[in-house]
Amino acid sequence: DGGITQSPKYLFRKEGQNVTLSCEQNLNHDAMYWYRQDPGQGLRLIYYSQIVNDFQKGDIAEGYSVSREKKESFPLTVTSAQKNPTAFYLCATTPAGTYEQYFGPGTRLTVT
Amino acid sequence: GQNIDQPTEMTATEGAIVQINCTYQTSGFNGLFWYQQHAGEAPTFLSYNVLDGLEEKGRFSSFLSRSKGYSYLLLKELQMKDSASYLCAVPFTGGGNKLTFGTGTQLKVEL
Repeated sequence: DGGITQSPKYLFRKEGQNVTLSCEQNLNHDAMYWYRQDPGQGLRLIYYSQIVNDFQKGDIAEGYSVSREKKESFPLTVTSAQKNPTAFYLCATTPAGTYEQYFGPGTRLTVT
Repeated sequence: GQNIDQPTEMTATEGAIVQINCTYQTSGFNGLFWYQQHAGEAPTFLSYNVLDGLEEKGRFSSFLSRSKGYSYLLLKELQMKDSASYLCAVPFTGGGNKLTFGTGTQLKVEL
C-alpha cells in the first residue's frame, strides 16, 4: 500500500524546544517537499530535496532544518529560532519527470 | 517572478454551478494544476492543463487559456461535500521541479 505518512497528526511543544516532524514515503519518488500552511493561506515552501543527500531552501527556510539521508525519509526540524512555528505542515513528493505533487496527511504543530 | 491570483472566498447553492477563476503571470509555462483541500486535510489533485481548452472530468471541468494567463475550475451539480479550498498552482520556471501555489479560494456550498 503505497503512500506518504506524516506523524504525528497533532503535535504540541513548549516555546524554545526544537521539534522534528517526520515524513516517510514508499512511492519511490525522488523529490520531496515541506510546506507550511497558516489559516486561510496558501502553501509556502520551506525546503525541498530532489535527490538523496541534497536539499535546497524554499521561500521561508529560516528557523527550519532538514536532512535527506534516505530516499524514503525527509524529516523537518522546527528550531527554537522559528519565531512563529504554530502552523499546519505538509510533506509532498513528486515522481521523476512530472510536476504533480502528492501530499501526506499533514502535521498540525502548536507551540505555546 | 511568478504570481497567481484567485478570489479569496465564494459562496454557492447546492445543485448549482460555480466557476473559480485563476490568473497567473509566469516567464515560462509548464501547465497549471488545480487541487482541492478540505479543512485540516491535505490537498488532493483535481486536474492538470497544459493545452488550451476545456477538460471535463465528471462534475469538475478545468479550462486554460495560455495567451490570457487564465484558468478556471467549473464545478457542476454542487454538493455540500464540495465545500473546500481550491488551490491553483503552476510549475516554477526557475528550476527545482517546484510548484507555486495561489492562496486558494474557499468555497462554501449552502442549502
